[in-house]
Amino acid sequence: DVKVTQSSRYLVKRTGEKVFLECVQDMDHENMFWYRQDPGLGLRLIYFSYDVKMKEKGDIPEGYSVSREKKERFSLILESASTNQTSMYLCASSLGTGLAGELFFGEGSRLTVL
Amino acid sequence: RKEVEQDPGPFNVPEGATVAFNCTYSNSASQSFFWYRQDCRKEPKLLMSVYSSGNEDGRFTAQLNRASQYISLLIRDSKLSDSATYLCVVGVNDMRFGAGTRLTVKP
Repeated sequence: DVKVTQSSRYLVKRTGEKVFLECVQDMDHENMFWYRQDPGLGLRLIYFSYDVKMKEKGDIPEGYSVSREKKERFSLILESASTNQTSMYLCASSLGTGLAGELFFGEGSRLTVL
Repeated sequence: RKEVEQDPGPFNVPEGATVAFNCTYSNSASQSFFWYRQDCRKEPKLLMSVYSSGNEDGRFTAQLNRASQYISLLIRDSKLSDSATYLCVVGVNDMRFGAGTRLTVKP
């Protein structure tokens, strides 16, 4: 079974803090994704990566950056957390495209910014 | 315009009903099409891949219409356990979700 592990299930941070959300997958997947999920808005794509050191902006990259130094690890960074970044963050990975584009999710990281 | 638009719902149906969800997408180059199910406070889980020719899995039928750029999900003989939020996902390398449709099946 594919396992996607997010480092923290719950985090509470203060405005202005730097926040790191880590995600690791164990199935040698090419693609990795970060989404945030808010009530009524569904899952919105923040960034994705289709290869090591490659990254592409999604729909809402402002205020976020990412790092993919190793294939299995994709990190989401909030340089200076703000209250509007309070959300559920979901990491996912996939093998490829087409039917291989099936997304496997971590359990999510619920971030509260005070 | 959002890249993936989904019926807003919510859908409240009695057990045994047939319910259909639709999603339209804007990128004609999309190659990957899926339906996911998400239970409250859980991560999304794959329900069905959507094949070009359409596909069925028990009470669930998924269809793809490339010309009109939409996918659909039909659930027949709804069960209480089908209550969840249903999410469509469409993309190439990027994978974008519809906003989700909440389904409640009532006795």
